[in-house]
Amino acid sequence: DTEVTQTPKHLVMGMTNKKSLKCEQHMGHRAMYWYKQKAKKPPELMFVYSYEKLSINESVPSRFSPECPNSSLLNLHLHALQPEDSALYLCASSQEGTEQFFGPGTRLTVL
Amino acid sequence: SQKIEQNSEALNIQEGKTATLTCNYTNYSPAYLQWYRQDPGRGPVFLLLIRENEKEKRKERLKVTFDTTLKQSLFHITASQPADSATYLCALADNYGQNFVFGPGTRLSVLP
Repeated sequence: DTEVTQTPKHLVMGMTNKKSLKCEQHMGHRAMYWYKQKAKKPPELMFVYSYEKLSINESVPSRFSPECPNSSLLNLHLHALQPEDSALYLCASSQEGTEQFFGPGTRLTVL
Repeated sequence: SQKIEQNSEALNIQEGKTATLTCNYTNYSPAYLQWYRQDPGRGPVFLLLIRENEKEKRKERLKVTFDTTLKQSLFHITASQPADSATYLCALADNYGQNFVFGPGTRLSVLP
């Protein structure tokens, strides 16, 4: 299985809602990533988990809270988001020092 | 601060020609450089990886070069086809693959 899955595909939420994005991979990769991508821009790295521990947090606001329950799963908990947080959220996984495998993304709209 | 540039935001070429995309970087010493393809509304797909001690890599119609002195990578698609139309992103990473930074991308259009 060489696939990264993400759910949901689309999410619309209000600024007071709490929601979660989910990501799963079964390739045995030990590094997992969250990216944010705005239209016509490259993906921007948000968080990196290595061996289930948060290793990089690129100064992301606390309204985004990552969680890695086990080596195959990665969650991104969302709370009190702003309209400017609307974007495509991408999850990826890799072995260290190799290519990243990306999921299809979750299209998030914050009203 | 680290900066990555790709030669142009958009590139149009005729079918059958070779497309050449450029990636330049400053204030970075990457252990390796990668190229990805991204179609609209989808996640990037890995194409090629080249390490700092390698000069050139090939895969089918794709070729990438890496010059750490010039701080530049060139990405070539030979015998281009309309199906090659997409945004191409270069990405730099350190040895652990964690300090991962994408360039702005080049939107390639191959015209029939």
